[in-house]
Amino acid sequence: AQSVTQPDIHITVSEGASLELRCNYSYGATPYLFWYVQSPGQGLQLLLKYFSGDTLVQGIKGFEAEFKRSQSSFNLRKPSVHWSDAAEYFCAVAQNSGNTPLVFGKGTRLSVIA
Amino acid sequence: DAGITQSPRHKVTETGTPVTLRCHQTENHRYMYWYRQDPGHGLRLIHYSYGVKDTDKGEVSDGYSVSRSKTEDFLLTLESATSSQTSVYFCAISDLLAYTEAFFGQGTRLTVV
Repeated sequence: AQSVTQPDIHITVSEGASLELRCNYSYGATPYLFWYVQSPGQGLQLLLKYFSGDTLVQGIKGFEAEFKRSQSSFNLRKPSVHWSDAAEYFCAVAQNSGNTPLVFGKGTRLSVIA
Repeated sequence: DAGITQSPRHKVTETGTPVTLRCHQTENHRYMYWYRQDPGHGLRLIHYSYGVKDTDKGEVSDGYSVSRSKTEDFLLTLESATSSQTSVYFCAISDLLAYTEAFFGQGTRLTVV
């Protein structure tokens, strides 16, 4: 069965600083990989996704993520964080074949301080 | 934004009562999902549907049932609500499983007292 680990429950960064949120997955083959963001009281919005090809993917709001097969990781990065980036971030995986829905990590809450 | 409407958005109910949550989509997507979100657990799949009258269980399906009689509607029923089912419930849709991303509704906050 697939699983997703987000090691950091809560991260605090200063506005303007860089950000990296970690995601590791367990799956026998290369899965489809996603990052979602959830603002308080809202649903989830897709930031970016990886299916195949270039391992560095660009998303919305200036986010990017890099797929590293050797490390089973799909870390999310942003070079300069804005106060509006404060939210909860979820990594998710899906099988690249078959009939299985998304499996989510437990999330990382990002706080941004001035 | 994808056309997904969840109703009600908030509900308080008593232990032992039946509760039905509705998810309505206007995107004509084939796949629909119900997740629950709890602190420290992220989102966990309850049930999903891959077509009208075609459903399957997820990770945390005990105590829940679903029905999908039309493409646009996916109902989640708690036959006899318990306090452990207090949660935020999210509906999601996708067009082709595992090939496109899932789009999420705004959520329903359910409190069982």
